[in-house]
Parts: sequence; C-alpha cells; structure tokens
Amino acid sequence: TQLLEQSPQFLSIQEGENLTVYCNSSSVFSSLQWYRQEPGEGPVLLVTVVTGGEVKKLKRLTFQFGDARKDSSLHITAAQPGDTGLYLCAGVAFYGGSQGNLIFGKGTKLSVKP
Amino acid sequence: EAGVTQFPSHSVIEKGQTVTLRCDPISGHDNLYWYRRVMGKEIKFLLHFVKESKQDESGMPNNRFLAERTGGTYSTLKVQPAELEDSGVYFCASSQDGLVGNTIYFGEGSWLTVV
Repeated sequence: TQLLEQSPQFLSIQEGENLTVYCNSSSVFSSLQWYRQEPGEGPVLLVTVVTGGEVKKLKRLTFQFGDARKDSSLHITAAQPGDTGLYLCAGVAFYGGSQGNLIFGKGTKLSVKP
Repeated sequence: EAGVTQFPSHSVIEKGQTVTLRCDPISGHDNLYWYRRVMGKEIKFLLHFVKESKQDESGMPNNRFLAERTGGTYSTLKVQPAELEDSGVYFCASSQDGLVGNTIYFGEGSWLTVV
C-alpha cells in the first residue's frame, strides 16, 4: 500500500514567521499535488509538480518535488492569517491508476495568529 | 460558472438503511471522481468515471457501494446497507480531462453519519 506521510500534523505560528510542510513516501509518484482546504469546503488545488527536482513558486508559497519523486515540501514565507487552513499533499502512483486516483496525506492543519 | 455541487450536504441515517449521494460536476467535464474521508484518516479515492464509463473503480471498498453516471452527466453513489464505518465525508470532483496537471475541482462534500 502506498502511503504519503505528511508532517507536521499541526502547526501554530505567529504572523510573519516562515514554515515548511513535508510530504514523504517510500514510493515513487508520477506527479504530486498540493491542496488547501478550508472548513466546510472541498480541497482546492494549489500546484502540481511533475519533474524530479522541480521547484514552483506561487507568491509566498514555494513547492519542491524531490529528485527521486518520493517526497515534496511546501514552504511559506512570512505567513499571514489568511494562510490558515488544512494543507494536503496528494500523489499519483507511478504505475497504474488514473490521474484522479490520488493518494492523499493526512494533512497539516496550519494556524497563523495575528 | 457553477462548481461541483453535491447533495445532500449532511445526512444522518441508521445502520442498515440506504443513502444515495448525488454529484453534479462542472458542465463539460467528462471526468468525475468520488473520494471519501473517514474520521482520522486521509482522503481516499473511490472511483473515476469518464463520461458514463467506470475508468477506475479500484478504491470502492465493497459491494455495498454502487456508483452510477447514467448519460455521463450527474453521478450517484448509493450505500446499501449502510454500516457504522461508512460515516465520513464523501467528496465528488471533476476535471475536463484526465491528463497530468489537469485541475481536479472538488465539491464541498456530503457528510454522512451512520448511527
């Protein structure tokens, strides 16, 4: 069974601090996505990374896909209260399954205090 | 443009009863997916439709779950008979195509509680 271990599970920081969320697996993924979910809503796609070593930036968010395509990280610079939410990583298995057959991590619940 | 809509948003049923969840994907999206998250666990894939055909149903837990997408538009997920462990939130999602990098849009979820 493929698993995506996400850490930390919970993170509470002050506005202006930096943070990194990690997503690790012993399996190789063909692509990996990061989602953000707010209470009462479904996950919203932030980014998809496909190439090993790929780095993508989305304003203050930086996403990296590991060289071996087994891990990924999300770094937020100067966090703001609006960044509060549940961050989920999800991977597509390298062998078999459709693109929608996503393997999700359990999520990181981020709280940014003003 | 309307997003993915799911009905009902919340449902409380007794063990042994039947529940049918409905999903309306974004108009024009051929790909429709069902996922669920049970308490304390990660979101898990259930199945994938391309139009009215089941492309991948490897995540369906057992034969108490039946998904349909007649006509390739909306989809239903029926749980019959419901068990306590079926409680959780059921997400539907859709995408225009199934290619890498294509955005999958999620609905708000249908919360199911089996008592």
